[in-house]
Amino acid sequence: GAVVSQHPSWVICKSGTSVKIECRSLDFQATTMFWYRQFPKQSLMLMATSNEGSKATYEQGVEKDKFLINHASLTLSTLTVTSAHPEDSSFYICSATGQPQETQYFGPGTRLLVL
Amino acid sequence: DAKTTQPPSMDCAEGRAANLPCNHSTISGNEYVYWYRQIHSQGPQYIIHGLKNNETNEMASLIITEDRKSSTLILPHATLRDTAVYYCIVRVFTSGTYKYIFGTGTRLKVLA
Repeated sequence: GAVVSQHPSWVICKSGTSVKIECRSLDFQATTMFWYRQFPKQSLMLMATSNEGSKATYEQGVEKDKFLINHASLTLSTLTVTSAHPEDSSFYICSATGQPQETQYFGPGTRLLVL
Repeated sequence: DAKTTQPPSMDCAEGRAANLPCNHSTISGNEYVYWYRQIHSQGPQYIIHGLKNNETNEMASLIITEDRKSSTLILPHATLRDTAVYYCIVRVFTSGTYKYIFGTGTRLKVLA
């Protein structure tokens, strides 16, 4: 199957700082990328959908000014958690799909801990 | 809201078939059923998907009822490495994009 990578795999930061997470499709062009968040012992929650070259679409309840998403190329999307707080600590997972939109392939996830 | 319901947990003996059920009674005619699994602290892994015909690949088989209101994922010979949370997802088209809405999944434990 298609390969999606994320970097970093884990990050610890101080409260108030910003953190950038990268998501790359390694062997296919990702026209659409998705960002999910997962709290311990819970399911994945979709945060936003991004299409290459256009603004991301955020799910209800997700603050677009806090979670900045950029999908500048067909192989890279970034999620920036701005002014992170301890309640933002979570497991962030991206996925990518090619054209036509079919199966989503998920990255390995990034664990964020905000102190 | 998720369009699927699954039992929260199941056990299966190693070497036996694991049959994981999923209800999706509100599925629309053109919505696919996808199955993924998530091993602890990793991203979900794609297993299989289907629309209305039964499907089989090297990992599993997917049986979809004729009315499409439910499906079953079959792992033919479960191993300890199949212990994971299994998600049944109906892919929906909304806001111009196909999206997955994850339910709570089934935690499968394969026993030695």
